[in-house]
Formats: sequence, structure tokens, C-alpha cells
Amino acid sequence: GAVVSQHPSRVICKSGTSVKIECRSLDFQATTMFWYRQFPKQSLMLMATSNEGSKATYEQGVEKDKFLINHASLTLSTLTVTSAHPEDSSFYICSARGPRQGPQPQHFGDGTRLSIL
Amino acid sequence: DQQVKQNSPSLSVQEGRISILNCDYTNSMFDYFLWYKKYPAEGPTFLISISSIKDKNEDGRFTVFLNKSAKHLSLHIVPSQPGDSAVYFCAATSGSARQLTFGSGTQLTVLP
Repeated sequence: GAVVSQHPSRVICKSGTSVKIECRSLDFQATTMFWYRQFPKQSLMLMATSNEGSKATYEQGVEKDKFLINHASLTLSTLTVTSAHPEDSSFYICSARGPRQGPQPQHFGDGTRLSIL
Repeated sequence: DQQVKQNSPSLSVQEGRISILNCDYTNSMFDYFLWYKKYPAEGPTFLISISSIKDKNEDGRFTVFLNKSAKHLSLHIVPSQPGDSAVYFCAATSGSARQLTFGSGTQLTVLP
């Protein structure tokens, strides 16, 4: 089945640091990837849609200068949390959708636990 | 405005019995529905999906039912196993962008 790899799985860093999270589709080409954020005991909230070769589309309330997304190839999207602060601490999860037309499930990475001290 | 709702935060079921997880939605534009299973500190795992042109889809122990008039879907797991214990999210999508809107999740506990 479709496999999505997300790295790193956990990051602990000081306030003001920028953190990059990678999301790779391992056995398929992903024209569209999605970045979600999950707070404890809450649902997954879509942050942005990443399209290969074009700018990401951000959801309302998500700062695009804070959360930089790059989708330079059909197998890799990156999320960079710039100048991270404690309120950015969360569980970040990416998903990928393949190029096939029509309804199909998104496949998720294992998430990145980001802790900002 | 929650477009996808899972009103039961938790459910406990005896091993071997049926687990029924429910989900309601408000957006009539949704045309594809999915169920995901999630363990702590892991990403969601896709379980089963259903298109709005169907009312039932079955895959092994998992069956999803869709009632469009009631804007309601349910996931049936039978027989339930202890390994099924996890948080289950329903999700819905519409249009070509295929962004998922998730419910708040239901913690299923299958008791041995």
C-alpha cells in the first residue's frame, strides 16, 4: 500500500529556532500533500495544501510566513516552522494524495511531535 | 462550525461483539467519506471509505454505512478485537481539492 514517511518524529528545541519537517511519499508520486496540526485530545486541523510546483494554499488563520511549505518534487514536501515559540508546540502530520483522478484516500505520515522550550 | 461531528468521545465494547461508531455531517457537498484509525503519537491509518453514490461498503470486519438523507455514516466492526482499541476519526471531502474535514474522534476500547 501507499506509504508516507515523515521525519523527524520528535523535535525539542529552544524558542526562536526554525524547524523543518519532511514528508515523503515512498512508493507513489504525490501531486498534492496536506499538512495538519493536532492539539491534545482534539481533531486534526488542516493547515495547508501543498501542490507540487506551485504555492501552497493556506487555511484561514494559518500564517504562511510562519509555516513555510515547499513541494519541490512529486515525492517531497517540507514544512518549516520559522522562529518557533512555545505556542507552536503541537503534533504535526502530513498526508499525501496520489495523481490518480477521482476519490481516493489520503495516506498519512507518523507525525512529528514538536516541543518548543 | 463543525461540519463533521462525532458525538461520542468514547465507546467500550466486549471482545467479539460489534462496535458501531457514528458520524454526522452538515455539508451536503461532501461526496466521499473515510474512516481512519489512530494510535497515540502516530499518524492516522486509512481503514475504509465510501462514495456518496453508495450506501454501504464492506472490507473484512469493517463495514461503512452511509445515509445521505440523514447526513449520517457509521462504521461497524465485527467481531471486535482488543487490537481495534484506538481513536477512530471519520472524515469527509468534496471537490477536486480533496481536503479532508475530520470529526473529533471516538476512542474505542475493546475489552478482552
